[in-house]
Amino acid sequence: IAGITQAPTSQILAAGRRMTLRCTQDMRHNAMYWYRQDLGLGLRLIHYSNTAGTTGKGEVPDGYSVSRANTDDFPLTLASAVPSQTSVYFCASSDSGQRDTQYFGPGTRLTVL
Amino acid sequence: QKEVEQNSGPLSVPEGAIASLNCTYSDRVSQSFFWYRQYSGKSPELIMSIYSNGDKEDGRFTAQLNKASQYVSLLIRDSQPSDSATYLCAVNRGLGTGGFKTIFGAGTRLFVKA
Repeated sequence: IAGITQAPTSQILAAGRRMTLRCTQDMRHNAMYWYRQDLGLGLRLIHYSNTAGTTGKGEVPDGYSVSRANTDDFPLTLASAVPSQTSVYFCASSDSGQRDTQYFGPGTRLTVL
Repeated sequence: QKEVEQNSGPLSVPEGAIASLNCTYSDRVSQSFFWYRQYSGKSPELIMSIYSNGDKEDGRFTAQLNKASQYVSLLIRDSQPSDSATYLCAVNRGLGTGGFKTIFGAGTRLFVKA
């Protein structure tokens, strides 16, 4: 069982370029999340999906979009990258109950120049 | 005021000592509480979850919750160098829509000296 996979592991991107970060889980979890982690700021929620076909905005959604066409995949797209989007991005999944643990992917380190 | 606050540390303890990590939260309706451990360059992983007031023990780890004081802590007994990591406190609170929201603290860095 792989759990959650993310791709790419790291990426250097020119400002203004479009980029999609991929996330796939094989645990059949209903809920999926995208976070960014910046030094001193902890994990901040970008977007989430409680179930396939639905998405919602988190704390810092501007400049990002997501889709949830099926249970397993939850891609995050930066339409036009800016340097402030330089961060480590984590995808996570959980069953949809409030007591459920979130399981995290290995992360994608993104640098926007 | 941040919704979930932790001392950023670093907290340094000698090997074999008890490490005490603290977290406060601002929303009284919060219902579920989690401690995640994150090694440098790695992703967070769950250490403990707690939902009711009091203590919950799992091996060397004890989570303590005091909802009246809006305070949750993690004690690590017999600390080992391998416990050196950043510990993230996470709080779930219900939303009026029936969903819930997870808020993470910024984390406390722990160093266990051999």
